[in-house]
Amino acid sequence: SYELTQPPSVSVSPGQTARITCSGDALPKKFAYWYQQKSGQAPVVVIYDDSKRPYGIPERISGSSSGTMATLIISGAQVEDEADYYCSSTDNSGDHEVFGGGTKLTVL
Amino acid sequence: QLTLKESGPTLVKPTQTLTLTCTFSGFSLTTSGVGVGWIRQPPGKALEWLALIFWNDANRYSPSLNSRLTVTKDTSKNQVFLTMTNMDPVDTATYYCARGLYSVSGLGVYFDYWGQGTLVTVSS
Repeated sequence: SYELTQPPSVSVSPGQTARITCSGDALPKKFAYWYQQKSGQAPVVVIYDDSKRPYGIPERISGSSSGTMATLIISGAQVEDEADYYCSSTDNSGDHEVFGGGTKLTVL
Repeated sequence: QLTLKESGPTLVKPTQTLTLTCTFSGFSLTTSGVGVGWIRQPPGKALEWLALIFWNDANRYSPSLNSRLTVTKDTSKNQVFLTMTNMDPVDTATYYCARGLYSVSGLGVYFDYWGQGTLVTVSS
C-alpha cells in the first residue's frame, strides 16, 4: 500500500526556520496536505493543495512541493508551533487517502 | 458554525462489531465536492485514514481494512456511520470524523473540520 515518509522529529530554536519533509511516489501528481496536532487536540489543517493556507493560519507557515517531496516550512518558529505535524495525500489510483507517520516539532 | 461530533461505545469486546456515528451541522452532505471521513489514532501513534463517503454516495476504504469497514450516511439526519467488524485490541484508538473537501482540481481530498474524537477501547 501507498506510504508517505516523514522524519520522526525536527528540532529548532525559537526564531529559526523549521522544515518538515514528506516523500511519496504519487506526490508529483497529487496534492499534499499538512495537519498540525497539539497534545490532546484534534488535528487542524494548516496547508492544503501543496501551498495554500486556510484562513486563520499564520503567514509564517507555508508549504511547497517538488517531485516526490512536499515540505512544510515554519519561518520564525515559535514555542506555540510545537506540535505533531502530519502530511497526507492520495495514492496514484486516487481512491485511497494516506497519512504520513508524523513529525514531532520541538521549538526550544 | 460547522461542527462534527462522534458518538458510540467507549468499550467493545474482541470479535464484536463497532458502530460509530458522526453527527454534523453547518454543512450539507448533498453539496458537490463534500464528504465525511473517518480517521483513527492509537494512543501515542500516528493518524490512520479509514474511510470516506461523498455527497454522491461514492465511498472509499483503507486497503488494509477494506474487508472490515462499511461507511453509510443518513443525509436527512446529517449523520454518517462507520461500522468495523471483528474488533481486536490493536483497534484501540481515538476515532475522528472530519469533513472532507475535494481540491478544486480533483487532485486530492483534505479534512478541514474535525470532531473532538472518541476513544474506543477493545478489551475483554
